[in-house]
Amino acid sequence: EAQVTQNPRYLITVTGKKLTVTCSQNMNHEYMSWYRQDPGLGLRQIYYSMNVEVTDKGDVPEGYKVSRKEKRNFPLILESPSPNQTSLYFCASRAETGFNSPLHFGNGTRLTVT
Amino acid sequence: QQQVKQSPQSLIVQKGGISIINCAYENTAFDYFPWYQQFPGKGPALLIAIRPDVSEKKEGRFTISFNKSAKQFSLHIMDSQPGDSATYFCAASSGGYQKVTFGIGTKLQVIP
Repeated sequence: EAQVTQNPRYLITVTGKKLTVTCSQNMNHEYMSWYRQDPGLGLRQIYYSMNVEVTDKGDVPEGYKVSRKEKRNFPLILESPSPNQTSLYFCASRAETGFNSPLHFGNGTRLTVT
Repeated sequence: QQQVKQSPQSLIVQKGGISIINCAYENTAFDYFPWYQQFPGKGPALLIAIRPDVSEKKEGRFTISFNKSAKQFSLHIMDSQPGDSATYFCAASSGGYQKVTFGIGTKLQVIP
C-alpha cells in the first residue's frame, strides 16, 4: 500500500530536550515536505525537499532542522523544543510528474512540549 | 501575512443542502489551486484542483469555481451528506510547486 508513515503519532516532551519525528514514504517520490497545523492558522510549511540532499525553508522554519540522506526518509528535528512548537505535524510527499501531482500526507504527529 | 484567505472557519449545513467555502489569494503568480479534505485523525487528502485557465471544474458533487480577475475561488458541495463532514483546506502554489500555501481551513458539519 502506497503511504507516508510518520512516527511517533503522539509525543510529549519537555522544553529543550532534542527530538526527531521520522517520516518515510514508499512511493519513490522526489518531493517531501513538513507542515504544522494549528487552530486558526491552518497548515503552514516548515521545510521541503526536492530530492536527496536538496532541502529548503518553507514559511515557518525557525526552530526546526531537516535532512534528506535517502529518498524515502525525511526526518524533522527539533534541537531544543519550546512550548510554541506544540502542534500537529504532517509529513507529505509528491511525485515530480507535473503540476497536478497531489500531496500525499501522513496521519500526523501530535507534539506537546511542556 | 496570510496569502490565502479562507472563509468561513466553520459551516453547518443540512443534509441535501449546498456547502460553499470561499478562498481569496493575493499572489498573482499562483497558478495551481487544490482543495484538500481532512477527516479527524487523518492527514489531508486531495479532493479536487483547478488551474486558472478554466473557470469551473466539476467532479461528482464537488465543483470549484474560479474567478481570476477577482482572485477568488470557491468549493461547492452539492447534495451535502453527513459523510462530507470534515475540514476543508484551499491551497495555492506557483512555479515549481515546491511551496504550497494553505488557507486556515473550514470545518464542515453536515447534519441529518
